[in-house]
Amino acid sequence: NAGVTQTPKFQVLKTGQSMTLQCAQDMNHEYMSWYRQDPGMGLRLIHYSVGAGITDQGEVPNGYNVSRSTTEDFPLRLLSAAPSQTSVYFCASRITGQGGYYEQYFGPGTRLTVT
Amino acid sequence: DQQVKQNSPSLSVQEGRISILNCDYTNSMFDYFLWYKKYPAEGPTFLISISSIKDKNEDGRFTVFLNKSAKHLSLHIVPSQPGDSAVYFCAASNGNKLVFGAGTILRVKS
Repeated sequence: NAGVTQTPKFQVLKTGQSMTLQCAQDMNHEYMSWYRQDPGMGLRLIHYSVGAGITDQGEVPNGYNVSRSTTEDFPLRLLSAAPSQTSVYFCASRITGQGGYYEQYFGPGTRLTVT
Repeated sequence: DQQVKQNSPSLSVQEGRISILNCDYTNSMFDYFLWYKKYPAEGPTFLISISSIKDKNEDGRFTVFLNKSAKHLSLHIVPSQPGDSAVYFCAASNGNKLVFGAGTILRVKS
């Protein structure tokens, strides 16, 4: 199992450009999510999905779009990049179930710089 | 409005001694609390969790304590090892959402 993979590892964008951060998992997890990590702020939830065709907003969704057409993939789209979106982005996945907490597995991250 | 706070940005401990990392939260509806460990240039990895109905959970060298009346949890690492040097994030689960603290950098000196 590759686990959770993210591409690219690094990206530099100019203000106003668009791009898609890719995330894939091979563990057949229903739940997938995107976080951004900024200094002094921990990880903040951007969007999440509890299964194919279902997405919802997290804490900081503005400026980002997601879709979930397959169980394996959960891309994050930046429609018009802004310097405030400079951050490290992490994708994560886990199983869903009742009666307990299920560990989230994180990808290695994408470091995005917007100039 | 930070619902999960880690007030110590960093902690330095001698190898073999106990490391205690602290976390406070404000939302009494959180049902699970977790600790994640993160090395540079890697994603966070799950360390240990505790249900809101328990007050202690132990896994090898790692023990998490939960004090619901104080809305406080702590992670104890005994004995601390140089490989434990990393950023530790406290997190709390609220349904489908996980809320993270800002992290504490732990340095274990040999």
